Amino acid sequence: QVQLVESGGGLVKPGGSLRLSCAASGFTFSDYYMTWIRQSPGKGLEWVSYIRFDSSTIYYADSVKGRFIISRDNAKNSLYLQMNSLRVEDTAVYYCARGGRRALEWFDPWGQGTLVTVSS
Amino acid sequence: EIVMTQSPATLSVSPGERATLSCRASQSVSSKLAWYQQKPGQAPRLLIYDASTRATGIPARFSGGGSGTEFTLTISSLQSEDFAVYFCQQYHYYYTFGQGTKLEIK
Repeated sequence: QVQLVESGGGLVKPGGSLRLSCAASGFTFSDYYMTWIRQSPGKGLEWVSYIRFDSSTIYYADSVKGRFIISRDNAKNSLYLQMNSLRVEDTAVYYCARGGRRALEWFDPWGQGTLVTVSS
Repeated sequence: EIVMTQSPATLSVSPGERATLSCRASQSVSSKLAWYQQKPGQAPRLLIYDASTRATGIPARFSGGGSGTEFTLTISSLQSEDFAVYFCQQYHYYYTFGQGTKLEIK
């Protein structure tokens, strides 16, 4: 079955960095857009970034632009999120999710999430 | 940014009854709207996409409607497993989510 498994979350100090990974299985990873979404008690669900199946198109939310980098390795069926210059407000559960075969479609499925805590 | 507003914040309904949840967009999103269900400690699960199409495996008691700026999610006869938080999401221009409606047992 289609499955997404995130890893790499943890506790980091403000200004620090963290790299999240998402391992995909059960579908042809290289056919789909992939995305990162985060959820925090204060801000609810917030889309973070998405990447086209061939990495030719990448978009970021304004809140993370210039600090986060999304990438993928289709040979490894993996999605990544490099998070730099982390802020307290980046604290959230981070989910990876499969988009569609085209831009601007719904997200299905989602991974179980990985918690990122930014605190001194 | 397209702002999605859900109402009510909390809805109390008895099992077996009908529940109707609302979602409003700050500008037209055509039919580019999805609904998700989230239970405690779990990731959101897709219920409806394109405003009214049920996702694979979703029971027929879930139905979505609307277009433009006004949308509804209706659960025709509430089962115990349906009590959860529901989010709407637009994907017309990037992606934004509503703040959620918590469906609780009356």
